[in-house]
Amino acid sequence: GALVYQYPRRTICKSGTSMRMECQAVGFQATSVAWYRQSPQKTFELIALSTVNSAIKYEQNFTQEKFPISHPNLSFSSMTVLNAYLEDRGLYLCGASFQDTQYFGPGTRLLVL
Amino acid sequence: GQQVQQSPTSLVLQEGENAELQCNFSTSLNSMQWFYQRPGGSLISVFYNPSGTKQSGRLTSTTVIKERRSSLHISSSQITDSGTYLCASTGGLSGKLTFGEGTQVTVIS
Repeated sequence: GALVYQYPRRTICKSGTSMRMECQAVGFQATSVAWYRQSPQKTFELIALSTVNSAIKYEQNFTQEKFPISHPNLSFSSMTVLNAYLEDRGLYLCGASFQDTQYFGPGTRLLVL
Repeated sequence: GQQVQQSPTSLVLQEGENAELQCNFSTSLNSMQWFYQRPGGSLISVFYNPSGTKQSGRLTSTTVIKERRSSLHISSSQITDSGTYLCASTGGLSGKLTFGEGTQVTVIS
């Protein structure tokens, strides 16, 4: 079956520091990988979408300078939150697409102190 | 861009009751998915349902594309059904999902 792993599941970082999170698709090759954030009391917002053979597209309010993404192959992606502050806390989900269905990992929950 | 409206915002059910959750889209959609979010936060895909009706156990999803809406019916609710249900529309093969705000379902005994 199609599975998506995310690491770490939970992390705490000091304000102003950076942290990297990883996403691994297992059992399939993802045609695209999307990163979402769910801030407290909010729904999911798309941060960026990385599609095979295309540049990574960031949504409004999210930039490569703040959330650099690496997508070296069809099954792995990583995203870094640079200079994390309180407003960056939340649940970060990775969604890997295969045949029109998006499979999600369990998320990385980021706490910022 | 696409906007997704879900209703109701929250719902409390007596165990055994049925419920219907609604999802409306502002623009035409290529396909849509229903998700269940556990209290811990992880997201589970419940239905990929671009059109028509699909059933899985006690859950039934009906999507009417030309009316830009989808519904999720829960029959004979159980306490374990408690959580947040989100609908989202997809942009075809691009993989971009636009999420609704979710419906928080609480089933009590």
